[in-house]
Amino acid sequence: EDKVVQSPLSLVVHEGDTVTLNCSYEVTNFRSLLWYKQEKKAPTFLFMLTSSGIEKKSGRLSSILDKKELFSILNITATQTGDSAVYLCAVEGDSGGSNYKLTFGKGTLLTVNP
Amino acid sequence: GAVVSQHPSRVICKSGTSVKIECRSLDFQATTMFWYRQFPKQSLMLMATSNEGSKATYEQGVEKDKFLINHASLTLSTLTVTSAHPEDSSFYICSATLAYEQYFGPGTRLTVT
Repeated sequence: EDKVVQSPLSLVVHEGDTVTLNCSYEVTNFRSLLWYKQEKKAPTFLFMLTSSGIEKKSGRLSSILDKKELFSILNITATQTGDSAVYLCAVEGDSGGSNYKLTFGKGTLLTVNP
Repeated sequence: GAVVSQHPSRVICKSGTSVKIECRSLDFQATTMFWYRQFPKQSLMLMATSNEGSKATYEQGVEKDKFLINHASLTLSTLTVTSAHPEDSSFYICSATLAYEQYFGPGTRLTVT
């Protein structure tokens, strides 16, 4: 059974701090790892990672994947109150069926205080 | 970009009734759609994989007779919660696949009283 474990489960920081969110996984026939930001509604896509060691960057957010150690990190620098959200990590794998599917972690609740 | 819509966004129903939730891909065709459920402060749990023109594949522990999925066209999948009970109250989210990426709908919040 595919498994995704995120840590920490929650984090409270002050504006301007840098945070690192962790995601480790076990998956059959790994295809990709994805990071999402979830505020009040459905998740919004942040990154898709398929190759080890290649950093993906979007503004103050960056992420990297280690396929040997089976984990990924999401970094947010110079945090702002608008970064407060649940950050979800998901892995896409094929458990033997014909469809690849996403398995989500429980998420990290990030609270950024002014 | 690819847009997925869900209808309704919020529904309240009485225990024992059935509720249908629609998921549409607005600007692309999706042979595969996924249905997720999210309880408060929990992550998204995959319920079933819906393939156009064939029966849905349900995850372990999800009752296929209770959660009826129909994917009759390449742009529409429906989830019907039959004989709903208060414990079915949850946030239901669909996603549609385009070029191996999943695009999420905005979700439907179901409350069963």
